[in-house]
Amino acid sequence: RKEVEQDPGPFNVPEGATVAFNCTYSNSASQSFFWYRQDCRKEPKLLMSVYSSGNEDGRFTAQLNRASQYISLLIRDSKLSDSATYLCVVNRPDSWGKLQFGAGTQVVVTP
Amino acid sequence: EADIYQTPRYLVIGTGKKITLECSQTMGHDKMYWYQQDPGMELHLIHYSYGVNSTEKGDLSSESTVSRIRTEHFPLTLESARPSHTSQYLCASSGEFAPGEKLFFGSGTQLSVL
Repeated sequence: RKEVEQDPGPFNVPEGATVAFNCTYSNSASQSFFWYRQDCRKEPKLLMSVYSSGNEDGRFTAQLNRASQYISLLIRDSKLSDSATYLCVVNRPDSWGKLQFGAGTQVVVTP
Repeated sequence: EADIYQTPRYLVIGTGKKITLECSQTMGHDKMYWYQQDPGMELHLIHYSYGVNSTEKGDLSSESTVSRIRTEHFPLTLESARPSHTSQYLCASSGEFAPGEKLFFGSGTQLSVL
């Protein structure tokens, strides 16, 4: 089983619609969670950290469910520019300072 | 924008050549990392460093080597490139400590070995 698992998609979303997807992680001791965005053939960039109480950044909302060991990302009012691969990233408690990346969920926003 | 730079952006080279991928950051970060990523796949950590003269191998076995003689510079070297080394190589740095880590990535080097 992979440490971080994501639905690869693609999620095809009409412009203006809402899309949500999850990521599951295997290590219950993980404490830090992030969503990174990666455009095609580009480097990943931090989108947002995920806090226990859930957090929002504009049209993006992240949630953490520790009991079921998953995090989610919701994008409201999707824009064409939201088309990208979204990487779920979790810290590795057994390896100080290291992160585990998921393979990503591809989102394609269509006009 | 993060100040971390990788060169070259693209490299096409023949089998058996020695190559060095450059990575520099101007943020004074102690921690630096090299990741390898194939299309549609997750990033795999191949090397990391927590400071000058500190280097460790990552999770994915790699024939490459790294050095950290200066805080800002973390080059990766392949003594003899092979087609199996064809991949995207991403350098990253972080100035934070556990458990949270915010990584800043360079723009990557797409390596093709013929």
